[in-house]
This record gives sequence, C-alpha cells and structure tokens, in this order.
Amino acid sequence: RKEVEQDPGPFNVPEGATVAFNCTYSNSASQSFFWYRQDCRKEPKLLMSVYSSGNEDGRFTAQLNRASQYISLLIRDSKLSDSATYLCVVNRRGSNYKLTFGKGTLLTVNP
Amino acid sequence: EPEVTQTPSHQVTQMGQEVILRCVPISNHLYFYWYRQILGQKVEFLVSFYNNEISEKSEIFDDQFSVERPDGSNFTLKIRSTKLEDSAMYFCASSVGASESQYFGPGTRLTVL
Repeated sequence: RKEVEQDPGPFNVPEGATVAFNCTYSNSASQSFFWYRQDCRKEPKLLMSVYSSGNEDGRFTAQLNRASQYISLLIRDSKLSDSATYLCVVNRRGSNYKLTFGKGTLLTVNP
Repeated sequence: EPEVTQTPSHQVTQMGQEVILRCVPISNHLYFYWYRQILGQKVEFLVSFYNNEISEKSEIFDDQFSVERPDGSNFTLKIRSTKLEDSAMYFCASSVGASESQYFGPGTRLTVL
C-alpha cells in the first residue's frame, strides 16, 4: 500500500463550485499533515497545515481523521486561480525531517 | 516575505560530470532539505540536514550525492557523477523546526544528456 494515496483525478469544475480532495495515509505513526499546491513545473507551496480538530482558512477547510487515517481538503467557491495540483503530505513521528508526498490531484477550474 | 532561493534555475550536463546545486534557505531556519521530482512523478525526499550534519537520508541518496553548508547562508547538493536517471527537478526546502512547515525554493531543473 502506498504511504500516501490521493484521488487520481483530474478534476474539472466550473468557477464557484465546491470541490473535495481525499487522501489516506498508511503509517499510523504519521504526526503532521499538510496540503500543498503545485503549479505546473513550479515548487510545492504550503497551502495549510491540517490539525486534528479540523481547520479553515477562508475558502479552504481541512479535516483529519486519525482513526481512519484520512485527510481531506474542501475548496468552496472555487476560482480560476485555484487551478493547480493539490498535494497531500505527511510527516512521520520518528522521522520529523522527512515529508512524504502523495502524487497529487490536478484541479482545473473552468470559466 | 522571506523565501528560499536556488541557483541555477536550469542545469544541463553530460553523463558522468559533477554538478553542484545551490540553495539559500530562509535566514532564521535551522533545518534544510533536498527533494527531487522526476517529470510526471511525485516529490521524493532525498536528505535532511541540521546542525552541520545529515539527519536523515533516503535510499536514493547514495554515495554519488553529498550535501554541504559551506558558509552561513548557502546549502549545496553535489552529484559526483551524474546519470541519465538523475534528470529531475531538485527542490531545496527549509524549516524552523524539525516538524514545522517546510518552505520550498523554486527548484533547479537538472538535465543529464
């Protein structure tokens, strides 16, 4: 089983749509969780950390379910500028230094 | 806003040649990392560096690879004898603490011919 697995996508949505990304991780010792976004041929950029209680940043909401080893990201009222690949990333306890990335889900928001 | 910088943006080299990729991490960060991304694949961890020594390395980071912090600002990745399969985007990252958010530089695209 892959260490971090995401919806393969791609997702194509109209502007204003709500879109959800799902991610599962295999290592129960995972400690920190993040969503990054990556534009084509650019670096990953931190979108938000994911906390156990769930957290929101404007139009973005992240949830974590440790029991199910599941992470989600919800984007509401999607904009053209949200078009990117969304990367689910975990950091394992005992390996604080290493981020493990999922392959990413490509989102295209259409006018 | 402080950011990680990397040079060069693109490096083309012949197989068997040595390359050095350079990074300037964010100034108050203490942990430094290299990752790579082969075209169309996921981002992969190579190595982490703290307190002037390697903290962790992946199986990709074999004897052909080395890292160094030659002065107070630069962090370098050296590949001693490049192979075709080393062609990838190499990202440097830094963080304040070990489990804190990591911030990535714009990357160096390495092409090995």
